[in-house]
Amino acid sequence: AQSVTQLGSHVSVSEGALVLLRCNYSSSVPPYLFWYVQYPNQGLQLLLKYTSAATLVKGINGFEAEFKKSETSFHLTKPSAHMSDAAEYFCAVSEGRTGNQFYFGTGTSLTVIP
Amino acid sequence: KAGVTQTPRYLIKTRGQQVTLSCSPISGHRSVSWYQQTPGQGLQFLFEYFSETQRNKGNFPGRFSGRQFSNSRSEMNVSTLELGDSALYLCASSSSGTALQETQYFGPGTRLLVL
Repeated sequence: AQSVTQLGSHVSVSEGALVLLRCNYSSSVPPYLFWYVQYPNQGLQLLLKYTSAATLVKGINGFEAEFKKSETSFHLTKPSAHMSDAAEYFCAVSEGRTGNQFYFGTGTSLTVIP
Repeated sequence: KAGVTQTPRYLIKTRGQQVTLSCSPISGHRSVSWYQQTPGQGLQFLFEYFSETQRNKGNFPGRFSGRQFSNSRSEMNVSTLELGDSALYLCASSSSGTALQETQYFGPGTRLLVL
């Protein structure tokens, strides 16, 4: 089975600073990777996904992620943090021989300091 | 298009009771997946339904079951509730669920508290 590891369960950045949330995957085949964001008391919202079309993927709200096969990573970045970015972020990999099944990382809680 | 809807949003039950949660997928989506989210275990896959058939199953006891109706709406049932079943239950839908690059769209969840 595939899996993802998110390093850092809590990340704090100052408003306007770079956001970097780490995700590493383990897979013996090309993976399909996703980043989701969860705001308090809400479901998960898709930020972006990697489907092998391009290694640099741009998502919503200014986020982007780069797929690096050599490092088995799919880190999420945003050049300048905004207060509204404070949320829980989940990296996920899709797998399934007969239908997609998502495996999620443990999540990273992002705090933005004014 | 309306998003994924889940009812009820909040539920309080006592140990030993059973509970049924409902999920209506995005119109036209035929695959519905269920996840359990807890602070300790994170997001864990429960099962996936497609065309009224369970197609994938996670590692949960038989007390957790589900079904899907012909209109793709799905229900999840938990029997003999335990304290550890307290969690946010998330439903997600996707178009066909057969393409690994398909996005899963999540509902707001049902928060279950077992006392």
